[in-house]
Amino acid sequence: DQQVKQNSPSLSVQEGRISILNCDYTNSMFDYFLWYKKYPAEGPTFLISISSIKDKNEDGRFTVFLNKSAKHLSLHIVPSQPGDSAVYFCAASGPGSSNTGKLIFGQGTTLQVKP
Amino acid sequence: GAGVSQTPSNKVTEKGKYVELRCDPISGHTALYWYRQSLGQGPEFLIYFQGTGAADDSGLPNDRFFAVRPEGSVSTLKIQRTERGDSAVYLCASNNRGRADTQYFGPGTRLTVL
Repeated sequence: DQQVKQNSPSLSVQEGRISILNCDYTNSMFDYFLWYKKYPAEGPTFLISISSIKDKNEDGRFTVFLNKSAKHLSLHIVPSQPGDSAVYFCAASGPGSSNTGKLIFGQGTTLQVKP
Repeated sequence: GAGVSQTPSNKVTEKGKYVELRCDPISGHTALYWYRQSLGQGPEFLIYFQGTGAADDSGLPNDRFFAVRPEGSVSTLKIQRTERGDSAVYLCASNNRGRADTQYFGPGTRLTVL
């Protein structure tokens, strides 16, 4: 039972354009969401997070949007740069996952930004 | 400051052998997590420590897997009688508050069971 889903395994965009990565979840008890970026042979690196009391959080070129009614979140990268090419993971946690802070990850989306 | 470190970076072993994987969390972080990432998948939770105690080990797949954190800092993940299906990248993460806080990951240990 996949509680966090990233249905697009890959995405390719042109440098300078917007990248939109999507994530859906099924557990309405999740109250904290994060995006991580992962380069080959490295651990995931934290990118941006959002609490369920918000619907948007911005940090520079990265914005995360949360739609609780649709159980959907998205990561927008504007403008996209070749260095953004990596695997992006969406993750969630909440009291429904035993209140320990353990993260439930999606399968990841591989983003390729072409120069 | 120094991030989360994991050793070894790669471990190749034979089916049936015992392995230990080590994690050094960020200094001062009280919460420590182990995850396992199989090819093409996201990380899957294994176990969570708050201080020295395992507060949640619900993700350990079976009793061949065990983890300790005796002094509340370094943690060791132990796998007995390894099987080919245990091959994966084992990731460690830490933070200072547990729930609803960013977890910082190490580079992982790639375990290959032949």
